[in-house]
Amino acid sequence: NAGVTQTPKFQVLKTGQSMTLQCAQDMNHEYMSWYRQDPGMGLRLIHYSVGAGITDQGEVPNGYNVSRSTTEDFPLRLLSAAPSQTSVYFCASSQLLGNTIYFGEGSWLTVV
Amino acid sequence: SQELEQSPQSLIVQEGKNLTINCTSSKTLYGLYWYKQKYGEGLIFLMMLQKGGEEKSHEKITAKLDEKKQQSSLHITASQPSHAGIYLCGADEGSARQLTFGSGTQLTVLP
Repeated sequence: NAGVTQTPKFQVLKTGQSMTLQCAQDMNHEYMSWYRQDPGMGLRLIHYSVGAGITDQGEVPNGYNVSRSTTEDFPLRLLSAAPSQTSVYFCASSQLLGNTIYFGEGSWLTVV
Repeated sequence: SQELEQSPQSLIVQEGKNLTINCTSSKTLYGLYWYKQKYGEGLIFLMMLQKGGEEKSHEKITAKLDEKKQQSSLHITASQPSHAGIYLCGADEGSARQLTFGSGTQLTVLP
């Protein structure tokens, strides 16, 4: 069981570069979300999706884009990386009628 | 959105001791999740509480949601080094299982 898979695990970017963090789930979950985790601040919601073709903004969406062309995939794009986007990023998924939210193992991003 | 306050921020206990972590919300909780996180790893789901007065247990960990549904506690009995990590509470904001998280409690268990 793969669950929620995030790639890459570690990435170093230069300011201004763009990149995509990949998230895939094999559980046919309708809901998917992206969070960032910063020291002393818990996890904060960036974007979320309730199904293919539908996305919405969370608490901290600026500087990030998402799309949901398939149920399985929910990539997070950084268009022009900034040092303030240095963080650990987590993808999560859950069923429409389920109570368990599954998280990926995280992607460590450093912007220099 | 809700604000969740976790206490304490950090906790150091001797192996075998009991401990409690609290999570207090500024609003009524309609779904409260507890996760454990080890450094460099993802979040491990522990329990989810929905009903006022609800209590769930898994092995030596018990979580409760108070009757007013504004506070939850996580209790570990006879702690072990394997319990060490960061414990996070998250409140379900509703429409798509978006969670608002507390800032976490760092637990260290000394052998």
